[in-house]
Amino acid sequence: AQSVTQLDSQVPVFEEAPVELRCNYSSSVSVYLFWYVQYPNQGLQLLLKYLSGSTLVKGINGFEAEFNKSQTSFHLRKPSVHISDTAEYFCAVSEGDKIIFGKGTRLHILP
Amino acid sequence: GAVVSQHPSWVICKSGTSVKIECRSLDFQATTMFWYRQFPKQSLMLMATSNEGSKATYEQGVEKDKFLINHASLTLSTLTVTSAHPEDSSFYICSASVTSGRGLETQYFGPGTRLLVL
Repeated sequence: AQSVTQLDSQVPVFEEAPVELRCNYSSSVSVYLFWYVQYPNQGLQLLLKYLSGSTLVKGINGFEAEFNKSQTSFHLRKPSVHISDTAEYFCAVSEGDKIIFGKGTRLHILP
Repeated sequence: GAVVSQHPSWVICKSGTSVKIECRSLDFQATTMFWYRQFPKQSLMLMATSNEGSKATYEQGVEKDKFLINHASLTLSTLTVTSAHPEDSSFYICSASVTSGRGLETQYFGPGTRLLVL
């Protein structure tokens, strides 16, 4: 079975600073990878996804992620965060017709 | 992008009553829908996979008689929490999938339904 590890449960970062949220997955086969964002009291919104092709994936709100097969990682990055980026971020991997979620990383933007 | 709606967005009910939550794909047909439960400050826990016209597949540990799922059409799935108790209070989220020949490509999530059982 697939598993997703988000090493950091919380990440504090100053406004306008860069951020990286880490995600590693376990798989020996081709997978689809996703990052979702959840704002307080809301459902999940797809930030970006990797299906195939270029390993650098650009998403909404200025986020991007890089698929690294050798390191089985799919880290999420943003060069300059804004206070509105405060949210919970979930990395996920496909398994058949299901999606397996990581435990989430809470991004705190400090003024 | 694809839009998934849920109704109601929140509900408060008395212990012992049943609550129905609707999940609709608004601008696409979803052959598969998923129901998740999320406890505060935790990740999503998959409860069941719902395919149109067939019985739902429940994850281990999820009571099928407690959480009734009906997927009557390609745009509607319902979750009924029967005889709800305070421990059923949670945030319930549905999603609808878009698949390719190689399997799942993307799930689109509803905004969630917050259930509080008194």
